[in-house]
Amino acid sequence: DSGVTQTPKHLITATGQRVTLRCSPRSGDLSVYWYQQSLDQGLQFLIQYYNGEERAKGNILERFSAQQFPDLHSELNLSSLELGDSALYFCASSPNTGELFFGEGSRLTVL
Amino acid sequence: GQQVMQIPQYQHVQEGEDFTTYCNSSTTLSNIQWYKQRPGGHPVFLIQLVKSGEVKKQKRLTFQFGEAKKNSSLHITATQTTDVGTYFCAVSVGLTFGKGTHLIIQP
Repeated sequence: DSGVTQTPKHLITATGQRVTLRCSPRSGDLSVYWYQQSLDQGLQFLIQYYNGEERAKGNILERFSAQQFPDLHSELNLSSLELGDSALYFCASSPNTGELFFGEGSRLTVL
Repeated sequence: GQQVMQIPQYQHVQEGEDFTTYCNSSTTLSNIQWYKQRPGGHPVFLIQLVKSGEVKKQKRLTFQFGEAKKNSSLHITATQTTDVGTYFCAVSVGLTFGKGTHLIIQP
């Protein structure tokens, strides 16, 4: 158990819809990262937050947005969903030493 | 952002054989991290290398950081079925991950 909690674990929705994925970081970790992992693909970095502020942005689509709240939990919002958005979405948190602790992921299926 | 190439993409070995995966960058890295993802699981942090030429060992796993800090390797001695999974290197802020090496072990 990494200490990072992601909900929901599984989500099935239709094209054009919007979903929100939630992440609670490990106690004390200020950084939260979001990654997308498609079948047989690597981990695509989406975005990083540090103590509520956006720190770095990767290959995140304009249809996607994220935020980190004062209690440090984070949400990733995916809108106007397309079939190609089906993937495993990981959240990770990090202490100041830099290593990432990943949650178990949210598997999104868009039909 | 920084790009990193990881090879091979797939590696089939017999149980008991050794395994090595390589991570290469065209630019100098400040540090590099290695992660393991079991099938159906999430990535788990293995180690971070910071110093030029650094070598670290964890039981049967040996991690190296090149002298120029542009490449790194992970070597597993005498693989076991528990080593199955995908091994990723990760670099830079935001932690860009390589595409990973899938280790498949045949008993």
